[in-house]
Formats: sequence, C-alpha cells, structure tokens
Amino acid sequence: GESVGLHLPTLSVQEGDNSIINCAYSNSASDYFIWYKQESGKGPQFIIDIRSNMDKRQGQRVTVLLNKTVKHLSLQIAATQPGDSAVYFCADQGKYSGAGSYQLTFGKGTKLSVIP
Amino acid sequence: KAGVTQTPRYLIKTRGQQVTLSCSPISGHRSVSWYQQTPGQGLQFLFEYFSETQRNKGNFPGRFSGRQFSNSRSEMNVSTLELGDSALYLCASSSTDRANYGYTFGSGTRLTVV
Repeated sequence: GESVGLHLPTLSVQEGDNSIINCAYSNSASDYFIWYKQESGKGPQFIIDIRSNMDKRQGQRVTVLLNKTVKHLSLQIAATQPGDSAVYFCADQGKYSGAGSYQLTFGKGTKLSVIP
Repeated sequence: KAGVTQTPRYLIKTRGQQVTLSCSPISGHRSVSWYQQTPGQGLQFLFEYFSETQRNKGNFPGRFSGRQFSNSRSEMNVSTLELGDSALYLCASSSTDRANYGYTFGSGTRLTVV
C-alpha cells in the first residue's frame, strides 16, 4: 500500500553541525508534505511544510527539499542544537477520501541525538 | 492563541472497559482528526470530523468511534478495551483556510490498558 518511510531510524550529530533527515514517499499524487518534531511526552510539533509545486522551502534554521522525480524529501537543520534532539517525522497528505477530507500518512520517524 | 487541548493526559483502564477521550481544537478550526501512536505501528489515522460529520475513517475496528459537537470539540470512544489499545492518542485540528493551512496536534492522551 501507500507509505511514507524514513531511511534512517537514528541520527547522531555534533552540536553545531548540520543535520539531514531523509524521507521517501510512494504516493505520486501527494501534493503536501509536512515535517514534525516530537519530543518525549509531547505531541508532534509542526516544523515546516512544502507543497508539490515547490522544490525548496526555508524556515528558521530549517530547510525542506522536495524531489518529486524520485519521491524524496529531506529536512536540513543548520547549526544543530541540543534542543533539536527529538524524533522527526515526515508526513504526506496524499490520500484523499473524498468529501474534502485528507489524511496524513506518517513515516516511522528518525531519532535525532545531538552530542554536546 | 490557544492550541489543541486534549484531556485527560493519562488514563489507566482495565481490559473490557470503555474510555472516552476529548479534544478541543484551535478556535476557528472545524476539522478534527484522531491518530493512534504506538512504538510498533507509528502514527496511524483513526478518523476525521468536519462540521459534526465523520468524513474519513482509517482501518480500525468498530470499537473505535468518535463524534464532533457543534463547537467543533471532538470525542473519541474505545469500547471493550484490549491490551493492544495501549497507545498515545493524538488529536489534530486543521483549517481549510489556505492562508493558515496545516495540522496542529495536541499533546495527546496516554492510554494504558491493564
């Protein structure tokens, strides 16, 4: 079936380095993608989103790249800080049920650990 | 503005019991979605409500149900609880306003079935 998956389950980076988290999606009809950060005991927190008519979008210290040709997303975090330690999920709003309703399909998540 | 509020934060229930979880969306958001999060299955879509109507349902048994009220607050109910229902239940509210599009999640309700 359709799925959104992540290439690496864990990622450890040195504080101050850049982090790159990857995601592959399979639904070619997907037109909206979101990256979430989830800290322990909390719900997913929105980081950045991108629509399929774009291939790059930048936020504060974060950049999302979308490659529709290979159905790949990446999240880049610049100058990674200890507070960035969390699980990161990509989500794909591609499954349309009709009646104006979509649902998000999530990847399994990548745990980012920042080494001070 | 206030975020998505889920109550209670934690619940412990016994197998066979039923449970009701509550979600108050961001003011003005009319769509509420529910997701189940477990270590093994990750985040899975349960259902979505818009203007008191269920518009979409995921692949969960009929023991999982929900409803939405006229003020957009939503509840989900799980009957005849099983051990496998232990999970973090997340609610997300969203707006159809293109300028404010997106899904905002609450902190979740941690349900433990014993």
